[in-house]
Amino acid sequence: SYELAQSSSVSVSPGQTARITCSGDLLAKEYARWLQQKPGQAPVVLIYKDSVRPSGIPERFSGSSTGTTVTLTISGAQVEDEADYYCYSAGDNIVLFGGGTKLTVL
Amino acid sequence: QLQLQESGPGLVKPSESLSLTCTVLGGSISSSSYYWGWIRQPPGKGLEWIGSISHSGRTYYNPPPKSRLTISVDTSKNQFSLNLTSVTAADTAVYYCVAFIVGATRPDYWGQGTLVTVSS
Repeated sequence: SYELAQSSSVSVSPGQTARITCSGDLLAKEYARWLQQKPGQAPVVLIYKDSVRPSGIPERFSGSSTGTTVTLTISGAQVEDEADYYCYSAGDNIVLFGGGTKLTVL
Repeated sequence: QLQLQESGPGLVKPSESLSLTCTVLGGSISSSSYYWGWIRQPPGKGLEWIGSISHSGRTYYNPPPKSRLTISVDTSKNQFSLNLTSVTAADTAVYYCVAFIVGATRPDYWGQGTLVTVSS
């Protein structure tokens, strides 16, 4: 069965670059999306189709893919970026989430 | 711009059934551009896919709750629904409805979520 693996936590200082990776065989077949979730809030889509940023999402968020691994990069992380980040992929008959990465910015 | 609104009871007793409805605004539930899904998030935990339904009514469920779960579409009301039977405390979660975009040509649309607590 498929799985998406994410590191459980990442910590950076403000202004540094944060990278969160997500790996799994499903990513070779289906596009990845990235979500940001702050406490008590619904998730927000940051990236779709591996690397496309929806309108209204700051340019410091970017996505990339190398086959079975996708990466969310936050260039110049800000304190307000502290949140949980989830990758997920959705195909015709399956939706799979990574376990989530807690980003600390301090 | 698609909008999704979850509705249903916030409290369900153990062994009873949980029914949630997602109303789709700004688009047709019969469109082949989307397939519709339910995601849940237990308190303090990650996101879990429960199941999905296509515009044609084909359903896909995530085991193991498959035998307790039914997802359906009501085209006359532009809604899709989740019915989960024999609930336990482990089914306590925030439940989100999601419109997944076929081919990922646009970002998926997420509802705001509704908290369901299973307790006597």
